[in-house]
Parts: sequence; C-alpha cells; structure tokens
Amino acid sequence: EPEVTQTPSHQVTQMGQEVILRCVPISNHLYFYWYRQILGQKVEFLVSFYNNEISEKSEIFDDQFSVERPDGSNFTLKIRSTKLEDSAMYFCASSSGTGTGELFFGEGSRLTVL
Amino acid sequence: KQEVTQIPAALSVPEGENLVLNCSFTDSAIYNLQWFRQDPGKGLTSLLLIQSSQREQTSGRLNASLDKSSGRSTLYIAASQPGDSATYLCAAHTGGFKTIFGAGTRLFVKA
Repeated sequence: EPEVTQTPSHQVTQMGQEVILRCVPISNHLYFYWYRQILGQKVEFLVSFYNNEISEKSEIFDDQFSVERPDGSNFTLKIRSTKLEDSAMYFCASSSGTGTGELFFGEGSRLTVL
Repeated sequence: KQEVTQIPAALSVPEGENLVLNCSFTDSAIYNLQWFRQDPGKGLTSLLLIQSSQREQTSGRLNASLDKSSGRSTLYIAASQPGDSATYLCAAHTGGFKTIFGAGTRLFVKA
C-alpha cells in the first residue's frame, strides 16, 4: 500500500542551526502538507503546497520556515534558525486532490532543539 | 475560525464495551471530516473519512457519523479490544487547504 515516508525519524540540533526535514509523498498525490505536534498538544497546521507553490500557511509558518519540492518526489521543510520552541513532531501529509480529499500522514520526524 | 473540540479527553473502559467518542466543530462549512488513530510517539493512521454530503461511514467495528447542521461527529467503536487503546483524533477539512484537529480522546481498553 502506498505510504508517505519521512526522514529523519529523529533529529537533535543546537539552537540557531538550520534543519531540513524530508518527505516523500504518495506518488500520484498533488497536495502536500506539513503539520506539527508539540508534545502533549494538538496537531497544528503549518503549510499546504500545490502546483509548486504555497496554497495556505498558518501564523506559525513565519519567515524562519520554508518548503520546497526540489524534484518530482521529495517535499522538504526547512527551519532556518531553530529555536527551543520548535521542538516537536513534524508530520508530512499528502492528498490526491480528487475525490474525497483524504489526508495520508507519514510517521513523523521528531525534532529536538537543545 | 474553525475550532474542533473532542469529548471526553480520556476514557477507560473494560474490554468488550461499546463506546462513543464525540467531536464538535464550530463552522459547519466543512469539506469533509476525518477520524485518525495515533499510537504513542507514532504517526496518524486514517480510520474513516466522511464527506460533507454523507451522514455516516463504517469500517469493521467502527462507525462514524456526521451532522453538519449541529456541528457534530461521533465515532462509535463496537466490542472494544485492548488493541484499540490509542488516541483518537477528529479533523475537519475546511475546504481551503488546511485541516483543523481536535485535541483527541485518549482511550484505554482494559483486558
């Protein structure tokens, strides 16, 4: 069964460092998303991406964040200068864009900022 | 602004019991509503999706209903098993490009 894959599963970084989280969405999907979940809190929307541009972003997604689809398969989230409060689980999701709009999530990348 | 609330926050039941998890949303203009399961430290597994034009969906022992006019959805789990222990999340797709999640219901099924 097709699935969304994310790497790394866990990354530890120092405050102020740049981090890139990678995702491979389901191959025929057209819409891509990043969500985050701070420990013990709700899953929060960060950004959606369609047709090689950002469709919508939340207030969380400030200038420190960027997304890119560098090739036909990968979808990345970059955090330019990490802060302690960026520590969270980051989930990538994709949807086909047709039919039901069902979201499919990856297993997540846990980011720990020290 | 869409807000999604789930009640109860936590639930502990003996094995075999039927149970209902509740989800409410403030803006009835949703595209669909999706229920997920999340195990500790893991990703989100899609359980059921109800489109805005539908009233319910069933998968095995799970049944989800949707009442847009009242802003409510329920997830019914029949004959609960210890393996059902997890956090259950409901999420409302607003029709734009984002989905708003509730805080979840932590379910523990005792053997």
